[in-house]
Amino acid sequence: QKEVEQNSGPLSVPEGAIASLNCTYSDRVSQSFFWYRQYSGKSPELIMSIYSNGDKEDGRFTAQLNKASQYVSLLIRDSQPSDSATYLCARVGSARQLTFGSGTQLTVLP
Amino acid sequence: DAMVIQNPRYQVTQFGKPVTLSCSQTLNHNVMYWYQQKSSQAPKLLFHYYDKDFNNEADTPDNFQSRRPNTSFCFLDIRSPGLGDAAMYLCATSRSGTGSNEQFFGPGTRLTVL
Repeated sequence: QKEVEQNSGPLSVPEGAIASLNCTYSDRVSQSFFWYRQYSGKSPELIMSIYSNGDKEDGRFTAQLNKASQYVSLLIRDSQPSDSATYLCARVGSARQLTFGSGTQLTVLP
Repeated sequence: DAMVIQNPRYQVTQFGKPVTLSCSQTLNHNVMYWYQQKSSQAPKLLFHYYDKDFNNEADTPDNFQSRRPNTSFCFLDIRSPGLGDAAMYLCATSRSGTGSNEQFFGPGTRLTVL
């Protein structure tokens, strides 16, 4: 089992819709979880960090964490074409290393 | 603005010809990381420095070396690049002790091996 698994996509949503990205992880050690956005040919950009169970909102983005279910998600409300990118879920392991999921490619259709 | 800078942005080398990639940061972060990212794959950690302490991932080939002469700079040396080493190389930094380990990436260096 991979340490971090994402719904592989690709995912297409119409402009203005909610995009839902999901991620599960395999261990109970992880305490810190992140969502990165990566445009084609660019480096990953940190968009959300979450450490506690529940929801964390930042603008149009909401991250949800459920440690008991080992599940973290990212909701993007009012999706825009500029949100079209690959979204990487990541968690910090016991040795400070960041382990990434394989990414979900999101396309927002105008 | 505080940032992570990588040079060069694009590097072309020949098979077997050593290459050095550089990373500098103005964030004053004490941890620096090097990742390799191949097309359509997630970034893969090669090694990281926690202050001056070097931490190598178990599956990082010996062909890859790193140096960190001071807090601000870190270098990635590829001693004998092979065709399989063509990738985006990403430098990232974080500050330990905050409990978050948020990592911030530089723009990357795209390495082509001919």
